[in-house]
Amino acid sequence: KAGVTQTPRYLIKTRGQQVTLSCSPISGHRSVSWYQQTPGQGLQFLFEYFSETQRNKGNFPGRFSGRQFSNSRSEMNVSTLELGDSALYLCASSTMNNEQFFGPGTRLTVL
Amino acid sequence: QKEVEQNSGPLSVPEGAIASLNCTYSDRGSQSFFWYRQYSGKSPELIMFIYSNGDKEDGRFTAQLNKASQYVSLLIRDSQPSDSATYLCASYSILQGAQKLVFGQGTRLTINP
Repeated sequence: KAGVTQTPRYLIKTRGQQVTLSCSPISGHRSVSWYQQTPGQGLQFLFEYFSETQRNKGNFPGRFSGRQFSNSRSEMNVSTLELGDSALYLCASSTMNNEQFFGPGTRLTVL
Repeated sequence: QKEVEQNSGPLSVPEGAIASLNCTYSDRGSQSFFWYRQYSGKSPELIMFIYSNGDKEDGRFTAQLNKASQYVSLLIRDSQPSDSATYLCASYSILQGAQKLVFGQGTRLTINP
């Protein structure tokens, strides 16, 4: 069974731009969660989607948004990028037992 | 107080010894706990989960849960250099219908040959 895939793997943007990241979950997994990982803050929860509905949200500003499509693929968008948004963005899809399997991540650098 | 706390390390263990990684959590409603391994530059990889008090063994790994003390641990027997990584502990809980998986900061483990 194919794992979680994320595109793109690497991205360089400048301040003020916006970015869209994509995640395809493991086949059959309906829940997709997004995390931001930085050396200083560790792994921080952004939001979770289940059956196209946002089920949970972390403490991030409204510049961070997401959505899920009927095939369970998910996208997250960050608008008006700031230098502090530079991070590894991880997507994870979940089993019914809440085991989360992570994708390889998208490394975002904001200049 | 952080919801899930881990000693950031680094924890150095000689090859072949037992590595013991610890984690405490503050939410008594937490239902299950997960251990992830993350190699440098890679994404976290699920090692095992536990939801009942006591021990759960999987190969060289043993997870231990003590809900009364709000304490979770991971033991790695016969440690190998390939076990050198950061280990993340996570707790899962449901609060007002919202599911939440909270990660600790991780413990960096180094196995010395």
